[in-house]
Amino acid sequence: QLQLVESGGGVVQSGTSLRLSCVASGFSFSTNGMHWVRQAPGKGLEWVAVIRNDGNSKDYAESVKGRFTISRDNSKNTLYLQMNSLRVEDTGVYYCARNPSRIDIASADFRGQGTLVIVSS
Amino acid sequence: QPVLTQPPSVSAAPGHEVAISCSGSNSNIGNNYVSWYQQLPGAAPRVLIYDNNHRPSGIPDRFSGSKSGTSATLGITGLQTGDEADYYCGTWDTSLSGVVFGGGTKLTVL
Repeated sequence: QLQLVESGGGVVQSGTSLRLSCVASGFSFSTNGMHWVRQAPGKGLEWVAVIRNDGNSKDYAESVKGRFTISRDNSKNTLYLQMNSLRVEDTGVYYCARNPSRIDIASADFRGQGTLVIVSS
Repeated sequence: QPVLTQPPSVSAAPGHEVAISCSGSNSNIGNNYVSWYQQLPGAAPRVLIYDNNHRPSGIPDRFSGSKSGTSATLGITGLQTGDEADYYCGTWDTSLSGVVFGGGTKLTVL
């Protein structure tokens, strides 16, 4: 059964750092691109970053570029998001998602419950 | 302001059908594939459609996706009260080199 388990969220002060993890199971992790998508309280979905299956190609939303780093360890079936210089506006639930398509890197298959990040001023 | 434009809300009666639109431009929908997501109250999103019209296993054929030019549509037939949720479209934006989502559409089944 395909599963993604996010962890690492918490309450932190602005300007500090946090690292999120996402452990995958039930599919061939090393053959899928992976996303981080976040959702501020009461707001819509906001894409954060994507990493291709080999880990060599990454893209970021403008709002996090230079502060966040997406990475993966295919030997551990784990996706990471290193978040530095956190801002209040980074508050929200962070979901990892698998890219299910062979032809479109943008699609996202959410299989976890997310992890909540709260950044206080 | 989301890059993709969706109506904030739609409503229809049980058993009826509804279409949710998603409008973009040539830098996103016009030249890339579209996905659709459902988010039930208090739950994580789930993908309903990807590659414009492909349903993952387990998604009922009451849900369908189509694309024409710079717009896309999610169709839902045989509406059920359990379909009440927020629905989002998403696609790649070539100019932004990233994924963009619509602002979401709240579906009410009256």
